[in-house]
Amino acid sequence: ELKVEQNPLFLSMQEGKNYTIYCNYSTTSDRLYWYRQDPGKSLESLFVLLSNGAVKQEGRLMASLDTKARLSTLHITAAVHDLSATYFCAVIPETSGSRLTFGEGTQLTVNP
Amino acid sequence: EAGVTQFPSHSVIEKGQTVTLRCDPISGHDNLYWYRRVMGKEIKFLLHFVKESKQDESGMPNNRFLAERTGGTYSTLKVQPAELEDSGVYFCASSQEFFGPEGYNEQFFGPGTRLTVL
Repeated sequence: ELKVEQNPLFLSMQEGKNYTIYCNYSTTSDRLYWYRQDPGKSLESLFVLLSNGAVKQEGRLMASLDTKARLSTLHITAAVHDLSATYFCAVIPETSGSRLTFGEGTQLTVNP
Repeated sequence: EAGVTQFPSHSVIEKGQTVTLRCDPISGHDNLYWYRRVMGKEIKFLLHFVKESKQDESGMPNNRFLAERTGGTYSTLKVQPAELEDSGVYFCASSQEFFGPEGYNEQFFGPGTRLTVL
């Protein structure tokens, strides 16, 4: 059974600091997604990583993918309060059609 | 363009009762997915419709859950009878096609229905 593991699950950080969220998955996949969810809101797509070595950046967030290590990272640079949310990574395994398998989510709190 | 909508946003019912959740996908999206997140755990796949047909229902937990998508537009997910462990947030997502111009399937999510079974 495919497993997607995120760590940390809870992250409290101060504004201006940097941190990285890790996403490990247990089967081959070449499609990895990062989502953000604010309380009571939809999951918002942040990044789609489609190949080994892919790196994408949007504002203070940067995501990368290493398919050989089955690892993706979401790096936060100089955090601001507005980044407080829950972040999910999700994978579509090569053999499972189009359904997403999610990690447990990382609840990020950025303190002023 | 309207996003994926779900109704109700919250539902509180007693064990043994029936609840029906509704999802309206983005207009023109043939693919519709149901997922749920229980007790702060990972979001888990329930099933996938392509138009009105069930493409994959391998994630449905048991026969108390019934999903329909008559006419290939909106979908309902009925839980009958509800049990305590059914509590959680039920998400719906839709997508236009498996591989769009950029070569991937982007699923757009609704805000979810928070179900509480007492």
